[in-house]
Amino acid sequence: QSALTQPASVSGSPGQSITISCTGTSSDVGSYNLVSWYQQHPGKAPKLMIYEVSKRPSGVSNRFSGSKSGNTASLTISGLQAEDEADYYCCSYAGSSTHVVFGGGTKLTVL
Amino acid sequence: EVQLVESGGGLVKPGGSLRLSCAASGFTFSSYSMNWVRQAPGKGLEWVSSISSSSSYIYYADSVKGRFTISRDNAKNSLYLQMNSLRAEDTAVYYCARDLVRGSLWFGMDVWGKGTTVTVSS
Repeated sequence: QSALTQPASVSGSPGQSITISCTGTSSDVGSYNLVSWYQQHPGKAPKLMIYEVSKRPSGVSNRFSGSKSGNTASLTISGLQAEDEADYYCCSYAGSSTHVVFGGGTKLTVL
Repeated sequence: EVQLVESGGGLVKPGGSLRLSCAASGFTFSSYSMNWVRQAPGKGLEWVSSISSSSSYIYYADSVKGRFTISRDNAKNSLYLQMNSLRAEDTAVYYCARDLVRGSLWFGMDVWGKGTTVTVSS
């Protein structure tokens, strides 16, 4: 059981928007603005898509956005494209005892 | 080109040991904190360990504490993970990853290697 809870799967059609939730607790997501999101295609290494809740690294499409409310962070992908089909993982700093926690991952299917 | 290349994975018996290496290139290795993250077959990502740029701060997941040791050699631009008392549940692809913000930890991991596979089986 992962520390952060994500839906196992989401789907959407090309051009649509989807949102992936990531629910933690007041000890991780709720306490720190240190949530990051990773995209992973099959057999590939993860790729950083969002850091510090809502910031995008250089080179990441502005179709990807992040937000947080309370203990839940969210990743929104607008204008879905076929290449967005992948697994997505959220990650949060969780304090000086646990340090880092990941979500269980969400498989995005582009219909 | 900024790059991380892991090596040292393989098949090991339960209770055995293995040392993973991660060679960094294309950036000032000594300025960045580094991490190990693993992924069991068909499973999600799991943080394993982190080390600050000067090795002053070291952190471990509870699942590996006391068995794994992270270290680095800034002169050789290399990160290491010494894994002892290996268990079947340590079977995974092990990735090394750079922390995003120079001199800090926990902001995100922006550069990843391709991973090295560790299989623990008799």
